[in-house]
Amino acid sequence: EVQLLEYGGALVQPGGSLRLSCAASGFTFSSYAMTWVRQAPGKGLEWVSCISGSGTGTHYTDSVKGRFTISRDNSKNTLYLQMNSLRVEDTAVYYCAKGADASRYHFDFWGQGTLVTVSS
Amino acid sequence: EIELTQSPATLSLSPGERATLSCRASQGVSTSLAWYQHKPGQAPRLLIYDAFDRASGIPARFGGSASGTDFTLTISSVEPEDFAVYYCQQRYDWPLTFGGGTKVEIK
Repeated sequence: EVQLLEYGGALVQPGGSLRLSCAASGFTFSSYAMTWVRQAPGKGLEWVSCISGSGTGTHYTDSVKGRFTISRDNSKNTLYLQMNSLRVEDTAVYYCAKGADASRYHFDFWGQGTLVTVSS
Repeated sequence: EIELTQSPATLSLSPGERATLSCRASQGVSTSLAWYQHKPGQAPRLLIYDAFDRASGIPARFGGSASGTDFTLTISSVEPEDFAVYYCQQRYDWPLTFGGGTKVEIK
């Protein structure tokens, strides 16, 4: 059974940093692209970042480029999102999701999400 | 950036009625479009991928179709558990984008 468990969400001040993690199980982690998607309060889903199965290919939405870094440790079956220079508008539930395969970026399994609140 | 416009924003239906949800892309995305269902407090659920294909375990009442840059998600007969928000997502080009969502609510 595929399971994705996000953790690391917290209350942080503007300008601060946070690292989210997503522990994966039930599939061959290194064979699949992974993504982070967020949902701000009262808003829709917003794609944040993707990483290929090998970890060599990464992509970001413009609003987080230069501030967020996606990475993965295939030996630990874990996906990360390092978030720096956080802004109030980064407040959201952050979901990790599994790609359909190594290169097709639609997402067939999702975690329950972790809440990031950026506020002074 | 490819914009996805979903309509209507809200669809009010009674159980047993047919639901037709629209997603229009600002430029061609081939058939690289997926549909998700999202309920409050739950993980989003993949329904349809590559415009037409049902994901594993998805009931046959959910169907996807496409015509050019217009995509449609149809629920042939809405069940009580189908009341939720539905999003389309394109994977044709970076950045990936989601539509704004359609809320299917009980009439």
